[in-house]
Amino acid sequence: AQTVTQSQPEMSVQEAETVTLSCTYDTSESDYYLFWYKQPPSRQMILVIRQEAYKQQNATENRFSVNFQKAAKSFSLKISDSQLGDAAMYFCAYRSFLVSSGGGADGLTFGKGTHLIIQP
Amino acid sequence: DTGVSQDPRHKITKRGQNVTFRCDPISEHNRLYWYRQTLGQGPEFLTYFQNEAQLEKSRLLSDRFSAERPKGSFSTLEIQRTEQGDSAMYLCASSPPLAGYNEQFFGPGTRLTVL
Repeated sequence: AQTVTQSQPEMSVQEAETVTLSCTYDTSESDYYLFWYKQPPSRQMILVIRQEAYKQQNATENRFSVNFQKAAKSFSLKISDSQLGDAAMYFCAYRSFLVSSGGGADGLTFGKGTHLIIQP
Repeated sequence: DTGVSQDPRHKITKRGQNVTFRCDPISEHNRLYWYRQTLGQGPEFLTYFQNEAQLEKSRLLSDRFSAERPKGSFSTLEIQRTEQGDSAMYLCASSPPLAGYNEQFFGPGTRLTVL
């Protein structure tokens, strides 16, 4: 079974600064997907960014980028120019690639989350 | 609103009572998922459907839990003989027919409190 670990229960950053959230995972699979989801207070979870394990290039979405280190099984999220609206719980998640081939579990495996605080 | 919807948003019940939650996925999404999220934790996968077929169930889904998706559209999650440990946020997500990474879109959740 896969596991996802987020070792930072809470992070705080000044508005307009850069912050990096850490995530490590454990799997025996060679192909898989990794995601960062954002859950604002009392609002639904939304996808921030995804990474396919077979792609070497790190994913980027505007101010959000990842540092994917496959050998180290590490998948960190960098948020540049932090904004007040970035304040939320951030969850790292894993999904098996085998589903695309007709097999394997389709559910996401989540970490415990990191609470990101933006200081004005 | 074309997002995933869940009803009710909040449910308070007494221990031993049965409760049922409903999830309406995004139109044309054939895959539907249920997750449970307890305070301070990430969501935990419970079960998922492809159309009306329930294809996977987590070991977290005890025999007091049952989920259905009778016509491949909305889904219900029923908890029988609720226990205080069932208090949690129950999240529903849907995704389109399998293509690539197949993003899951989440609903707002149903918060269950068992007294």
